[in-house]
Amino acid sequence: EPEVTQTPSHQVTQMGQEVILRCVPISNHLYFYWYRQILGQKVEFLVSFYNNEISEKSEIFDDQFSVERPDGSNFTLKIRSTKLEDSAMYFCASSESGAFYTFGSGTRLTVV
Amino acid sequence: AQKITQTQPGMFVQEKEAVTLDCTYDTSDQSYGLFWYKQPSSGEMIFLIYQGSYDEQNATEGRYSLNFQKARKSANLVISASQLGDSAMYFCAMTPPGSARQLTFGSGTQLTVLP
Repeated sequence: EPEVTQTPSHQVTQMGQEVILRCVPISNHLYFYWYRQILGQKVEFLVSFYNNEISEKSEIFDDQFSVERPDGSNFTLKIRSTKLEDSAMYFCASSESGAFYTFGSGTRLTVV
Repeated sequence: AQKITQTQPGMFVQEKEAVTLDCTYDTSDQSYGLFWYKQPSSGEMIFLIYQGSYDEQNATEGRYSLNFQKARKSANLVISASQLGDSAMYFCAMTPPGSARQLTFGSGTQLTVLP
């Protein structure tokens, strides 16, 4: 069964450092998403991406965040200057039609 | 704005018994989608079942069924014949109409299946 692949599975970074989370969506999918889940809390939408541009973003997705699809296969989330409160599980998801999602297994980001 | 409420932070069920996980939602949209996801301790999000707001039949997927009561705005998940591997966090979620729309999640229910 096709999978959404996220790397790394766990990343530890110093506060103030830039971090890039990587995702390889399912190859024929057109819609891409990032969500995050702070430990013990609900899953929150960050951003959706379609046709090489952001289609929706939440208030969490401020100027510190950016997304890119640099080479037609990877989909990345960059956090420019990490804060302690950015520590969370980050999920990438993709969808063929924009209706049903396949989630990746997540990247656990720890900011110290 | 859409809102999902899961009022059971934790549930216990005996192996082989059925369990119902509650989910209520609030939306002003006439068209929407309702989802249930399972998150085991390993962390991944596993899609379980989907119900469209215009679907007249309740959705079923193997041991999972969705008890959809539109007038009450509830979309409860029923797991029949619980297995130890069903122990996990379960999230109810919904999307508004249109493509590439965000999922709004509830706070989740931690299900523990007892041997």
